[in-house]
Amino acid sequence: GNSVTQMEGPVTLSEEAFLTINCTYTATGYPSLFWYVQYPGEGLQLLLKATKADDKGSNKGFEATYRKETTSFHLEKGSVQVSDSAVYFCALSPLNTNAGKSTFGDGTTLTVKP
Amino acid sequence: GAVVSQHPSWVICKSGTSVKIECRSLDFQATTMFWYRQFPKQSLMLMATSNEGSKATYEQGVEKDKFLINHASLTLSTLTVTSAHPEDSSFYICSATATNRGINEQFFGPGTRLTVL
Repeated sequence: GNSVTQMEGPVTLSEEAFLTINCTYTATGYPSLFWYVQYPGEGLQLLLKATKADDKGSNKGFEATYRKETTSFHLEKGSVQVSDSAVYFCALSPLNTNAGKSTFGDGTTLTVKP
Repeated sequence: GAVVSQHPSWVICKSGTSVKIECRSLDFQATTMFWYRQFPKQSLMLMATSNEGSKATYEQGVEKDKFLINHASLTLSTLTVTSAHPEDSSFYICSATATNRGINEQFFGPGTRLTVL
């Protein structure tokens, strides 16, 4: 079956530090890949996505590249801010399948200190 | 655009009572809505898929008689937790996909925190 493995947290960084949250997946074919962010007490928001190999998703300074050869979709940001403190979820959705039936990773909690 | 609301945002109830949670797509028509459950510091677990005008499809291990889902219109789905018990306490999140936005985008509600005493 499909699975998503995320880097275990929590991750604590100082403001302006470089962020990487690793995500690898197992799936057949070419799934779509997503990063979602969840702020305290809120639902998830789509941060970025990529639907085919070598695509780069980007938003709000965050980036992730769909690497088919390594089955990875690592999240990166060059300079984090306190406001980036949240839980980040990597997810995959099989080809031609509604994104609502995505498989989610366990989430990585990021805390950014001033 | 593509806003999903949930009501209530939190609810506390006594054991044995039933609780209804609403999920609405405010500015789009949702062909399909999904209900998730999230335990503290854990990932989302898909409970069921809800299609307008038809019976919900439940994931394995989810009791359909306990978690009643009604998708009465293209903008509203409800989840009723029947005879709630403390172990049902959780964060319930709905999401929706839009008829005109493709299946690769889902929009999440803000979640409902249920506490059963």
